[in-house]
Amino acid sequence: NAGVTQTPKFRVLKTGQSMTLLCAQDMNHEYMYWYRQDPGMGLRLIHYSVGEGTTAKGEVPDGYNVSRLKKQNFLLGLESAAPSQTSVYFCASRSTSGGLQFFGPGTRLTVL
Amino acid sequence: QKEVEQDPGPLSVPEGAIVSLNCTYSNSAFQYFMWYRQYSRKGPELLMYTYSSGNKEDGRFTAQVDKSSKYISLFIRDSQPSDSATYLCAMTRSNDYKLSFGAGTTVTVRA
Repeated sequence: NAGVTQTPKFRVLKTGQSMTLLCAQDMNHEYMYWYRQDPGMGLRLIHYSVGEGTTAKGEVPDGYNVSRLKKQNFLLGLESAAPSQTSVYFCASRSTSGGLQFFGPGTRLTVL
Repeated sequence: QKEVEQDPGPLSVPEGAIVSLNCTYSNSAFQYFMWYRQYSRKGPELLMYTYSSGNKEDGRFTAQVDKSSKYISLFIRDSQPSDSATYLCAMTRSNDYKLSFGAGTTVTVRA
């Protein structure tokens, strides 16, 4: 099992460009999450999904959109990137019981 | 005030020492308590978890939960340089989709 994988690992964007981050999990988990991690700010929840076709806002959703068209995939989109979105992005998933989340390796995004 | 408080450190100890990490929280409804280990430039890795109160031991690692004091701890015995990482506590209620995280404590074990 690969667990949770993220694509790409690194990306540099210019202000105003768009991109999509892909998260995939092979554990048949219902719930999936997108976080950002910044120095001194810890992990902050951007959006999450409790099942295929559903999404919900987290703590810092502005400037991001998400889609969960397939159970195993959760996409995070930036329509018009801003320097404030420079961060490390982590995807996570969990089953419906137990509360344990499993994280991917992260995507390091720089917006110039 | 944050829901989960964790001293960010940094904490530096010599090899072989006991590392003691802790978090305090304010929400008495939390029932699942987790510790994640995050190496530099990697994703958080689930290290230990405990349901409700009590202790759990796994090799050199011991997790403790004291719900009456709203306080959780992680102890690392016989620490090794490979234990150098950031340790994050996390917790949640039953039937809650989201985790509440501490800020993480950065630990360095000196050889």
